[in-house]
Amino acid sequence: EAQVTQNPRYLITVTGKKLTVTCSQNMNHEYMSWYRQDPGLGLRQIYYSMNVEVTDKGDVPEGYKVSRKEKRNFPLILESPSPNQTSLYFCASRSFSYEQYFGPGTRLTVT
Amino acid sequence: KQEVTQIPAALSVPEGENLVLNCSFTDSAIYNLQWFRQDPGKGLTSLLLIQSSQREQTSGRLNASLDKSSGRSTLYIAASQPGDSATYLCAVLEYGNKLVFGAGTILRVKS
Repeated sequence: EAQVTQNPRYLITVTGKKLTVTCSQNMNHEYMSWYRQDPGLGLRQIYYSMNVEVTDKGDVPEGYKVSRKEKRNFPLILESPSPNQTSLYFCASRSFSYEQYFGPGTRLTVT
Repeated sequence: KQEVTQIPAALSVPEGENLVLNCSFTDSAIYNLQWFRQDPGKGLTSLLLIQSSQREQTSGRLNASLDKSSGRSTLYIAASQPGDSATYLCAVLEYGNKLVFGAGTILRVKS
């Protein structure tokens, strides 16, 4: 089954403790991206990647890092999480016909 | 800057009613427009993708139209059911590869 997977699905952590949210797709898509969704602010893009080793900032990149060492994986790294990064995070990949596929989401709480 | 607006923000209808959700965008330089469904706290499920050269797409009880020149799209849901209750999001993919979302329409179908 074609899909985008994210792990973990739920995470509660404390301020300053580094964490990584993994994202993987099995559709051989070149383009992948990360979004956060907050009430009243909608979905905002954090980072995107056009292909392996090619990444760029989206609208809200501060406090996040990404890497793209393999085509299928695009992890999101929070090196020093803060409470304002409490949010619902989505990974997405894009097909060659420019259709977006979203993962199930990761709900992160930073205390 | 691309802006995507969805009207109405919320809609409550009795079961069986046909309904129309509206999406407008300010810049017609888009690759496509995609409609998504999101259940509370869940991921985004793609409903319909309309490429910029297309006028409409249909899937089951759903029909989406696109008028690129006027910057409008509609999502028509026929014979609504309680299971259709969700938030409906439209998103446009700009030529600059940025995906811009509307704020969504919260739909409630009463049985």
